[in-house]
Amino acid sequence: RKEVEQDPGPFNVPEGATVAFNCTYSNSASQSFFWYRQDCRKEPKLLMSVYSSGNEDGRFTAQLNRASQYISLLIRDSKLSDSATYLCVVMGRGSGTYKYIFGTGTRLKVLA
Amino acid sequence: DAGVIQSPRHEVTEMGQEVTLRCKPISGHNSLFWYRQTMMRGLELLIYFNNNVPIDDSGMPEDRFSAKMPNASFSTLKIQPSEPRDSAVYFCASRPTGGSEAFFGQGTRLTVV
Repeated sequence: RKEVEQDPGPFNVPEGATVAFNCTYSNSASQSFFWYRQDCRKEPKLLMSVYSSGNEDGRFTAQLNRASQYISLLIRDSKLSDSATYLCVVMGRGSGTYKYIFGTGTRLKVLA
Repeated sequence: DAGVIQSPRHEVTEMGQEVTLRCKPISGHNSLFWYRQTMMRGLELLIYFNNNVPIDDSGMPEDRFSAKMPNASFSTLKIQPSEPRDSAVYFCASRPTGGSEAFFGQGTRLTVV
């Protein structure tokens, strides 16, 4: 089983739709959680951190459920520019320091 | 700041040749990561360094891969000999002391023919 699992998609949604992605992780000792965004042929960039109490940044809402070991990302009022791959990232203690484990990503395509 | 700088951006080489990928992390960042990305396997962590010391290389696929960080501003990932299955995009990322966000370079697209 992979340490971080995501539905690869693709999710094809119309402009203005609300779309949600989930991600599960296997290491219960994981410390921190993030969503990164990766555009085609570009490097991943941080979208938002995920806090235990849940957090919102404009149209984006991230939630963490430690008991069930999953993270979610909700995008409201989706825009064409939201089309990208969304990577779930878990940071856990490894060999005395912290390393990032990425999910394989969920592709989103927002259609006009 | 120029960000994480990787070179070359593209590399095409023949099977059996040695390939060296280079990375300059952001100044002041003390953690450095090498990742490999393929369609099939996504982003895989190969190795990471903390304060120039390799902390975890369990992701390095086999002995053909080696990585070094001789100083805080430079790291290399070497593949010798290269094989077609090594074709992928290789990313370097760095993270500041006490920080949580990892900043990625633009990647090196490696094709082994």
